[in-house]
Amino acid sequence: NAGVTQTPKFRILKIGQSMTLQCTQDMNHNYMYWYRQDPGMGLKLIYYSVGAGITDKGEVPNGYNVSRSTTEDFPLRLELAAPSQTSVYFCASSTGQWAPYNEQFFGPGTRLTVL
Amino acid sequence: EDKVVQSPLSLVVHEGDTVTLNCSYEVTNFRSLLWYKQEKKAPTFLFMLTSSGIEKKSGRLSSILDKKELFSILNITATQTGDSAIYLCAAEGDGGSQGNLIFGKGTKLSVKP
Repeated sequence: NAGVTQTPKFRILKIGQSMTLQCTQDMNHNYMYWYRQDPGMGLKLIYYSVGAGITDKGEVPNGYNVSRSTTEDFPLRLELAAPSQTSVYFCASSTGQWAPYNEQFFGPGTRLTVL
Repeated sequence: EDKVVQSPLSLVVHEGDTVTLNCSYEVTNFRSLLWYKQEKKAPTFLFMLTSSGIEKKSGRLSSILDKKELFSILNITATQTGDSAIYLCAAEGDGGSQGNLIFGKGTKLSVKP
């Protein structure tokens, strides 16, 4: 199993450009998440999904959109990139079941810089 | 507002030392507390704690939760240079979004040879 994969690893955008961060998992997990990690800060949840066709906002959703057409894929879309979106983005997945615990498996991250 | 506070923010020790990392939390309808180790990029899972007073161990690492005082500690004994990483603490609550973790800022541990 590859686990959670993310592409690209690095990207530089100009202000106002758009892009999609890809995330794929092969563990048949129902739950998927997008986080951003800013320097000196903990992870903050952007969006999450509890299954194909279902998405919901997290703590910091403004400026982002997501879709979940399949169990495996959970792309994150930035429509009008802003410098405040410069961050490292992590995708994660989990079974969503509580017992024994809701361990989340993380991808390697995408480092995005908006200039 | 839900929050997780970790201390210290950074720590430098020598190989063989024992370290204790602290994590205090305030979350709505607390469910669990998780510790992650972050090297390079993505965090990797260490422990999940749901019950007070029960120590979880994995090799030289151990962790315990105090639900009355709302904190957890992560102990690392006989530290090695490979333990150098950022250790993240996260609390999971019931804020209407199952699986939503509130992370602390992390403790950056540097182990010198």
